[in-house]
Amino acid sequence: AQSVTQPDIHITVSEGASLELRCNYSYGATPYLFWYVQSPGQGLQLLLKYFSGDTLVQGIKGFEAEFKRSQSSFNLRKPSVHWSDAAEYFCAVGARTGANNLFFGTGTRLTVIP
Amino acid sequence: NAGVTQTPKFRVLKTGQSMTLLCAQDMNHEYMYWYRQDPGMGLRLIHYSVGEGTTAKGEVPDGYNVSRLKKQNFLLGLESAAPSQTSVYFCASSSGGAGGMYNEQFFGPGTRLTVL
Repeated sequence: AQSVTQPDIHITVSEGASLELRCNYSYGATPYLFWYVQSPGQGLQLLLKYFSGDTLVQGIKGFEAEFKRSQSSFNLRKPSVHWSDAAEYFCAVGARTGANNLFFGTGTRLTVIP
Repeated sequence: NAGVTQTPKFRVLKTGQSMTLLCAQDMNHEYMYWYRQDPGMGLRLIHYSVGEGTTAKGEVPDGYNVSRLKKQNFLLGLESAAPSQTSVYFCASSSGGAGGMYNEQFFGPGTRLTVL
């Protein structure tokens, strides 16, 4: 079965600094990969997803993620963080075959300081 | 366009009581989902539906039942609530088609349930 690891529980960055959130997955083949963001008191919103093709994926709000098969990773990046990016970020994976299910990581909480 | 709405927003139950959470979507989506979110854990899928009149079990279905009598509504029932069911519950929906469950899911704002 697939699983997702987000090693960082909490990250603090200064506004304007760059950001990288880590995501590692365990799966026998290349899964479907997703990043969702959850603002306080709200539901999740899709930032971007990888199904196939170009391993660098562009998303909304200036985010991008890179799929690295050799490292089983799908890290999320943003070159310059805004205060409004403070939220919880979830990586998720889905199997290409077998049972349909999205498996979410435990999340990384991002704090942005002025 | 309201998107995905959930009723109620908060609820406190005593052990053994029953309740139903209501999810409604106005995007004409085929797929609907119920997740639970617990501290230090990611979202876990309870049940889902790929169309009106159909339901299927997710990762953690025990203790819950669901119904999808109308395409726009997905109900989650707790017949006999237990403290272990204290959680935040999220409903989501997505379009059908080729991507299925892996199409973009649109989430409601959540229901915070406490079972004493």
